[in-house]
Amino acid sequence: KNQVEQSPQSLIILEGKNCTLQCNYTVSPFSNLRWYKQDTGRGPVSLTIMTFSENTKSNGRYTATLDADTKQSSLHITASQLSDSASYICVVKAPSFKTIFGAGTRLFVKA
Amino acid sequence: NAGVTQTPKFQVLKTGQSMTLQCAQDMNHNSMYWYRQDPGMGLRLIYYSASEGTTDKGEVPNGYNVSRLNKREFSLRLESAAPSQTSVYFCASSAGQGRSYEQYFGPGTRLTVT
Repeated sequence: KNQVEQSPQSLIILEGKNCTLQCNYTVSPFSNLRWYKQDTGRGPVSLTIMTFSENTKSNGRYTATLDADTKQSSLHITASQLSDSASYICVVKAPSFKTIFGAGTRLFVKA
Repeated sequence: NAGVTQTPKFQVLKTGQSMTLQCAQDMNHNSMYWYRQDPGMGLRLIYYSASEGTTDKGEVPNGYNVSRLNKREFSLRLESAAPSQTSVYFCASSAGQGRSYEQYFGPGTRLTVT
């Protein structure tokens, strides 16, 4: 069964600290993997997209990594800001156009 | 550009009532989608429309119907609401369905069925 599992479910960090969110997937075959940011009360917004051949993709303070062999991805946030408080969703797309969403990691950044 | 807009933002229904959620996009996208988001779960696809004039069932279509009114608009109808349909509903659109096409999401409709 195609699944996307994210950890931790929630995370609290202090402003200015770094953090890493994890995503494990069993989707096969695999087309691409996106990380989305979802602010409270808003729709998800894409942060990064990676294909099978890409290992790293950055978007400002966000860096996503992908290990297609172990079917793992991570999202690293550097020098966190209060505005980073949100849910981060890992989304895997299969070549059949089926899209599988993880349940998300809820990040709280405290001053 | 407003992107993807949804109405209403909030709605409370009694069991058995019907309602239609509206969605419109101004990006000239071909594909549109309806998802529901429940606590502790990933977004689940209800219905999608790959292009104007076509609609297909997603993962959880039971209890819902859709209409692709034109290229811009894609509505979701609950004919007889049930408490299990309490959820946040998101509409999304994409230029196409190929692997590189990003989905753009609306702000969501929070629906409570009592």
